[in-house]
Amino acid sequence: NAGVTQTPKFQVLKTGQSMTLQCAQDMNHNSMYWYRQDPGMGLRLIYYSASEGTTDKGEVPNGYNVSRLNKREFSLRLESAAPSQTSVYFCASSGRGTASSYNSPLHFGNGTRLTVT
Amino acid sequence: TQLLEQSPQFLSIQEGENLTVYCNSSSVFSSLQWYRQEPGEGPVLLVTVVTGGEVKKLKRLTFQFGDARKDSSLHITAAQPGDTGLYLCAGAGNNDMRFGAGTRLTVKP
Repeated sequence: NAGVTQTPKFQVLKTGQSMTLQCAQDMNHNSMYWYRQDPGMGLRLIYYSASEGTTDKGEVPNGYNVSRLNKREFSLRLESAAPSQTSVYFCASSGRGTASSYNSPLHFGNGTRLTVT
Repeated sequence: TQLLEQSPQFLSIQEGENLTVYCNSSSVFSSLQWYRQEPGEGPVLLVTVVTGGEVKKLKRLTFQFGDARKDSSLHITAAQPGDTGLYLCAGAGNNDMRFGAGTRLTVKP
């Protein structure tokens, strides 16, 4: 049982380049999330998808786009990377969105460490 | 400004000591979760507290949710080096979870 899988694990981009971070979960969860983690700032929500076919902005959506490709996969795209987007990006999923669980835990991947020079 | 304020930001103690870390907010949450994160990995859930005043124990870890559901604490008894990590609290909103900045705990042998 892999849980939440993120690719790539590491990436270095030059300013202005684009890339897509991939995330897949095998727990049949309805909801998926993208967070970024910066020192002293904790985890900040970029975008989330409460269910297949829907996406919504979180705290810090500027400079990012997302696609909920199907129930398993939720990708994050940087169209024109900036040094301010240097961070560790975490994808997470939860059963939230089902009738029974607004308190369900988040299951995280191991992150993508992105550096933009 | 963090919605959830965690204190202290850093804590370094000797093995065997007790400690308490705090998670405070001016907002009311339907539930609050505590996670632990180790280097190079994603956060892992420790506990969810839902009811105001609730106390949950997980071996040497005791979690409490404030009566008004705005704050929480985590107490560790007889800390061990294996407790070293980043402890994060998170509050449940309508459709998402908002995190504090965390307390980085180091337990020295």
